[in-house]
Order: sequence, then C-alpha cells, then structure tokens
Amino acid sequence: DQQVKQNSPSLSVQEGRISILNCDYTNSMFDYFLWYKKYPAEGPTFLISISSIKDKNEDGRFTVFLNKSAKHLSLHIVPSQPGDSAVYFCAASAYGTASKLTFGTGTRLQVTL
Amino acid sequence: DSGVTQTPKHLITATGQRVTLRCSPRSGDLSVYWYQQSLDQGLQFLIQYYNGEERAKGNILERFSAQQFPDLHSELNLSSLELGDSALYFCASSPPGQRLNYGYTFGSGTRLTVV
Repeated sequence: DQQVKQNSPSLSVQEGRISILNCDYTNSMFDYFLWYKKYPAEGPTFLISISSIKDKNEDGRFTVFLNKSAKHLSLHIVPSQPGDSAVYFCAASAYGTASKLTFGTGTRLQVTL
Repeated sequence: DSGVTQTPKHLITATGQRVTLRCSPRSGDLSVYWYQQSLDQGLQFLIQYYNGEERAKGNILERFSAQQFPDLHSELNLSSLELGDSALYFCASSPPGQRLNYGYTFGSGTRLTVV
C-alpha cells in the first residue's frame, strides 16, 4: 500500500529551466509534507517542507505547492542547476505520528548543460 | 558530513546470520530513527528511540530489534537474515523539541547485502 507516490522515476531538465517534481498521496490524515534530496553514497538531506494549512512554501530557488483537494504536491526548482542533479524524495507525516515519515520511491532529476 | 555517523558503511553476510548496525546521532540530538530502503523503494520507517526509550514503531520485523544506549548511540540488530533483508539502512536524528518542519538529519547509511 503505497500511500505516497512519485510516479515519475526520472526527469531530465536543461540548466536554467524549471524542474517540477510531483508527488501524490492517498492518506487524508497526512498533515505535513517534506522534500528530501539524496546524492549517491549519501543520506537524504532535508530540503523544504509544508504544512497542510498552507498551499505554498518558498525557500530560495525551491517552492513547494500543496493541493489538498487533489492530494497532490509538487516541488519547483527555478532555475535548475547541474548541482541539483540528485534523487528527490517526497515524504509525509500524519497528525499524531510526527516521528514517522512515509516516503515516496523518489524521482531522479538530471540537470543537463 | 551530516554529523550522524553510521557504521559499517558496507556489510556482506550470509543468510541465517546476525548483524549489528551502529548509529551515533548528532551532538545534542536525543531522537534516533531507523529507516530501511530496499531496491527501488522509498524509505520505510522501522523504529524511533528518544533518550533511550522506544517512542514509535513502524513495520519492523520481529527478527529485527534496536536499542539506544545511555550515550545516545543506537544499534539495530538484524537476525536470521534473509536475502530480502538486503537494503540500505539509514539512521537519522533530531534534537529535542524540534518541529517536523526542519526535518531530520540522516546518516549516509549502511548497505547490507545478504548472500
């Protein structure tokens, strides 16, 4: 039962363009969402988060959008840089279970020159 | 370097054996979390400890156990290993009172291969 889904295993974007990574969830009890970035041979690194009471959160080049009615969130990276090439994981937490994150399977982003 | 140290980085062992994975959290962090990432899967939550006590449990097999010691390092024990236990095992830590919006800090993982 995959409660957090990232349906695109990979994405290729040119440097300077926008990268949009998508994530869908099925559990309506999820109230906190996070994005992690992972480079090879390293652990996931926290990138940005959003609470279910908001529909947008921005941090520099990274913006996360949340559409609760569609149970969908997306991560926008503008402009994309070669150093952004990594695997991006979407994760969610349900109310009252803040210690447990449910992760998607990840999207591999490649930013080309 | 995230500050969360996991050892060993790689481990190859035979089916039926027992292994211990070790995690040292960042200085000042009281919570330790263990996650398993099998091939092409997302990270699966196993268990959380807070200041030596079990705080939350996920889909952790009965063959697996964990503990957190007084110096706050944690060990994940995997026994009667099966081929399907081959995975990346990540440890993460967080400080007391930290809100989830800051995320956890993950270590670089232990890659376990069961042959």
